[in-house]
Parts: sequence; structure tokens; C-alpha cells
Amino acid sequence: DAGVTQSPTHLIKTRGQHVTLRCSPISGHKSVSWYQQVLGQGPQFIFQYYEKEERGRGNFPDRFSARQFPNYSSELNVNALLLGDSALYLCASSPNPTVYNTEAFFGQGTRLTVV
Amino acid sequence: GNSVTQMEGPVTLSEEAFLTINCTYTATGYPSLFWYVQYPGEGLQLLLKATKADDKGSNKGFEATYRKETTSFHLEKGSVQVSDSAVYFCALSGMDSNYQLIWGAGTKLIIKP
Repeated sequence: DAGVTQSPTHLIKTRGQHVTLRCSPISGHKSVSWYQQVLGQGPQFIFQYYEKEERGRGNFPDRFSARQFPNYSSELNVNALLLGDSALYLCASSPNPTVYNTEAFFGQGTRLTVV
Repeated sequence: GNSVTQMEGPVTLSEEAFLTINCTYTATGYPSLFWYVQYPGEGLQLLLKATKADDKGSNKGFEATYRKETTSFHLEKGSVQVSDSAVYFCALSGMDSNYQLIWGAGTKLIIKP
């Protein structure tokens, strides 16, 4: 079975541009979460979607948005990119809407560099 | 709010040495606690977890015990191998925000042959 897949693996953008990152969860998983991991730090929670509805939102500006499609795949969009948005963006899938006692499975991430 | 603090790295050990990576947390109620590992070039993988006080999670020779009295979840392994070289993250999921994981900064472990 395929794990969590993210695309692209790497990309370079210029300040002010917009970027779309994509994630396909494990088959059967209905929950997708997005995390930002800045170099040398732990991941920071951005969004969680379950059954196509936003279930949680972290402390990120409105430039960050996401959505989940009927097939449970998800997109993370970031507008007006700043240098500080450079990070590894991680997608995690799980079968349930909570991760309290459920394993979250992570993709390998998308490395975004803003120049 | 909820938070996780783990020891700074890198931690450098010789093969077959005993490993401890400290992790303490702040949370209301009874969070679930996790250790994730990130091997070079790979994604985060769950190493072990514990969901209630005094539970011991274990996997691949690693262990961690959920200590409510000291709000700790230290990771231990009796004899490390070169293949254990990775970055280790302690994380929690709180009862009040059970849709997200809150992470420590990570500890890089380097094992020398």
C-alpha cells in the first residue's frame, strides 16, 4: 500500500508569489493535517481537515489556506510568500479526526525555499 | 498552553552505549505522548506512544514511560546502533486539542562505530 504522498518534493519560489502543495493520504484515511517544520525546529500545526471540513487551525496568518477534496486528498495554499515561509511542509494522514490515541502517518514533505 | 521541551542535541554516543533523551511536557489533563523518529532523507515515523499515566511504550528496543508526577516521557535504549542515528521528536496530543500534535524541537542522535 502506498503511504502518504506529497508533491512536489522541492520547489523554489520568489517573494510575493503563491504556492500550492499537494497531499494524498493513505487509502481509507479521511483526515489530513498540515505542519510546517522550520530547519532545526519541531513541526508546527497549520490545519487539520476531516471529511472535507476544517477541524483545526494553528496560529498561522490568513495567507495560509487549505482544502480537502472528495477523494480526501488535500491542498495547502500559501499566498504572498515571505522569506520566513521557507520550510519543510509535512502532510499527515490518519483514519480518525483525532490524533489523541491514533497514529499519524507522515509524508516525506515538500521543501519550499523562498528567495 | 500545551508545550513540549526536549534536550538539545546533538547527542553523540558510541555504538552499544546507553541512550537517554529527556522530554518533559506541560499540558492540562492527561495528554497522549509520542516519540517520532526522522531518519535522514525520510519522513517522520511513530516510534512509540503512551496514552495514560504509567504506561510504557516500546518499539525496536526503545522505551519510554509516561510519568505524570514528573510530567516526563524520557526515551531510553540499552544499546544503540549506528542505524539509530536520526532526529528524535517528542510530541503530545492534548485532550483539549486532540486534532493536533505539539512537538519538541527534536534531538539529533549521532552514533559512532
